[in-house]
Amino acid sequence: GEDVEQSLFLSVREGDSSVINCTYTDSSSTYLYWYKQEPGAGLQLLTYIFSNMDMKQDQRLTVLLNKKDKHLSLRIADTQTGDSAIYFCAEKRENSGYSTLTFGKGTMLLVSP
Amino acid sequence: DVKVTQSSRYLVKRTGEKVFLECVQDMDHENMFWYRQDPGLGLRLIYFSYDVKMKEKGDIPEGYSVSREKKERFSLILESASTNQTSMYLCASSLPGVNEQFFGPGTRLTVL
Repeated sequence: GEDVEQSLFLSVREGDSSVINCTYTDSSSTYLYWYKQEPGAGLQLLTYIFSNMDMKQDQRLTVLLNKKDKHLSLRIADTQTGDSAIYFCAEKRENSGYSTLTFGKGTMLLVSP
Repeated sequence: DVKVTQSSRYLVKRTGEKVFLECVQDMDHENMFWYRQDPGLGLRLIYFSYDVKMKEKGDIPEGYSVSREKKERFSLILESASTNQTSMYLCASSLPGVNEQFFGPGTRLTVL
């Protein structure tokens, strides 16, 4: 399948906002996701957005969706050192009656004190 | 609490060996998935299963097979391990039609 694209690395200072960007491929994707992977761990769902929404906010997290450009972003306000992790964008794809997730390559977020 | 466990965190095998990676979930989920994660390549889907004894190929099934004899257990099999199968393997499970996949901690496999 076609790739979900993300920048590979982002470095910010503690207290700043972080914005992680993603470009997906399937205009018929119904759901788009952000997962977080901390060192040595599996992935954990952070948040998701339904395709008929433009924005979703959850505490320090804001997800923006631009369907026209197939662009998804995750903004983390007041970034903390504990937010250092790899962040994966994923889109839900339907294929022959099955749903699967297609992940981007991941963005490593490094938060310095 | 939702839990997906994988049989080993670290595994070292030799080229040509048959390797079994086991995944168990305790949430009564119908769907189970195997991914491999490589630096710069992200997660790629190897196989998935939507029911017992059912399997579907993902994006990179070559060199792998799977087995799902019980609902809670999904095994990934490397029939003859090769060095290019050195990777982190992640298992996940979910309910049908539900958005969240729950991931295990991963097995880091090294093939020498």
